[in-house]
Amino acid sequence: QSALTQPASVSGSPGQSITISCTGTSSDVGTYESVSWYQVHPGKAPKLMIYEGTKRPPGISNRFSGSKSGNTASLTISGLQSDDEADYYCCSYATGSTLIYGGGTKLTVL
Amino acid sequence: QVQLQESGPGLVKPSQTLSLTCTVSGDSLIRGAYYWSWIRLHPGKGLEWIGYIYYSGTTHYNPSLKSRVAISVDTSRNQFSLTLSSVTAADTAVYYCARDSGYGTSDYWGQGMLVTISS
Repeated sequence: QSALTQPASVSGSPGQSITISCTGTSSDVGTYESVSWYQVHPGKAPKLMIYEGTKRPPGISNRFSGSKSGNTASLTISGLQSDDEADYYCCSYATGSTLIYGGGTKLTVL
Repeated sequence: QVQLQESGPGLVKPSQTLSLTCTVSGDSLIRGAYYWSWIRLHPGKGLEWIGYIYYSGTTHYNPSLKSRVAISVDTSRNQFSLTLSSVTAADTAVYYCARDSGYGTSDYWGQGMLVTISS
């Protein structure tokens, strides 16, 4: 079971939009509508930002959106703000009732 | 408000067994609506799912850890626990417990507990 593939880093200026990709296989991302995205600030617990591919939990800004095409899921953050700077991880349900995380992406707000 | 709290030793010797407990408040494990997960964050690396348990005792584990992991539940105390045997330095990480839908939607997390493997 290999980790989902994410870019190591992305960056953007305040107000801009960025997209983080998360590539899996037909055994996980490509088959199940169960991709979640988590925001991790240093020293803090992960925070659920997107679940079931496109849904936002209560209290999460609509600047955060999720999508999927084939074996690749994406997280888009629009109107970048300084406190969006964090590590972002995708997670997918996978065949065999297991979960698999991506390697994480460091977002830098310039 | 749902809260989870990890507890256990912060230092474990190599080759020994790591044991952690997660105490849940604000929700009941026997309600049966969720799975209860263990996830870890390696220093300088990423998140890794360890496994999860249903209140009935049904478990699912990360295949890469399955031979060394056991997760159990104590519904009378509203707790669930992790044991990881034969630990090495590679098991040094922040260990989190979380409430999960069973499909990777973990909506509540503990604050995390750093466990260091060292002699």
